Formats: sequence, C-alpha cells, structure tokens
Amino acid sequence: GIQVEQSPPDLILQEGANSTLRCNFSDSVNNLQWFHQNPWGQLINLFYIPSGTKQNGRLSATTVATERYSLLYISSSQTTDSGVYFCAVALYSGNTPLVFGKGTRLSVIA
Amino acid sequence: DTAVSQTPKYLVTQMGNDKSIKCEQNLGHDTMYWYKQDSKKFLKIMFSYNNKELIINETVPNRFSPKSPDKAHLNLHINSLELGDSAVYFCASSQAGGWVETQYFGPGTRLLVL
Repeated sequence: GIQVEQSPPDLILQEGANSTLRCNFSDSVNNLQWFHQNPWGQLINLFYIPSGTKQNGRLSATTVATERYSLLYISSSQTTDSGVYFCAVALYSGNTPLVFGKGTRLSVIA
Repeated sequence: DTAVSQTPKYLVTQMGNDKSIKCEQNLGHDTMYWYKQDSKKFLKIMFSYNNKELIINETVPNRFSPKSPDKAHLNLHINSLELGDSAVYFCASSQAGGWVETQYFGPGTRLLVL
C-alpha cells in the first residue's frame, strides 16, 4: 500500500519562529489533507491540497504531486499551534481510504 | 452547530462487554467513516459507508460491526471488548462517494477497556 512519511517526527519551537513540516508519499494521490490534532485530541482540517498552494492566515501548504511531497508552513508560531500535525493521502485509483502519516509533534514554547 | 458529532466522548468498560458508539453528521454528506487511533497516535481506517452501504471494510475483527440506519448516521458496535480495543475512535464524513473530497472528523470517542 501507499507509504506516507512525515518529518520531522518532533519539533520544538520558540514562540514567533517559523517552521516547515514535510510529507512524502510513495504513489500518485488524488486526495491530500493536512490536519492538526490539538492537545485535546480534536482533529482539525487545515488544508485539502492534492496539488498547488494554499494559504490560510499564518499557515500555508504546497503540494508538488509530480514529486510526491507536500509541505506545511507555519509562520510566527504561537503556543496554540502545539499538537500533532498529520498528513493524509488517498490513492489516485479512487474509493481508497485516507492513509495517515505518523505525524509531526509540534511544541511551541513561550 | 457541530458538523460531525459522536457519543459518548469517553467510554470506560470491562473486558467482555458489548458497547456502541454513535456518530451523526449534519453536513448532508454521502459517505461516513470510522477510524481508529492507537496509543501511538497512529490513525487507520476501519470502515466506510456510502449512502448506507458498506464500501470499505479494512482488516478489522468481526467483533466490530458498523450500522448505518440512514446516511446521516453511522454507529459502531463492538462485541466482547478486549484490552487491545482501547483507543480513540473517530467518525468522519465527506461529500462525494469517492475519496476526492475533504473529510471532516468528529471529536473522537476515547474507549478504555479494563
């Protein structure tokens, strides 16, 4: 099955710093989503981004489908950004489940 | 208004018991899912229903049985609970019948089997 690798596994940032999270996947996809799981366990949709670039406030994401990777940028990080960031993909063949990476655990300290 | 809701949020029970988790979505979506998140935070699909019909059934023990009374609800029944069933169970939904749409997740149900 498709493999999804996220890096780094853990990241500690000082408040105000910028960061880039990476997601590599092993096959063509027609669905790629970034989620933030906050410290209370809630999974929050950040982006649906099978290709291209999107921005939402301090967050932006870029997916280069031909090279099978996606990047999530967090600028001017805040303590509320802490949590686990997941990348999830689905194969191009359709009707296939979202496959999640193992996540990047981000801790933003004041 | 909550888009995808699950009840209960917490469930503590003894080994061998039978329990159910309910899920409802008010987004008008056609497809609903159950995912399991283990103690290492790894998320994996369990089931998917499209318009009340099962379309995905990953390798899950048959003690787990999804039931969809209508397309807004997908409940998860678990028989003869085991210690290894302790996890967080997430319900999700999406618009289209395929997998190209954004999936929206419920708040999760934290199941602890003693």
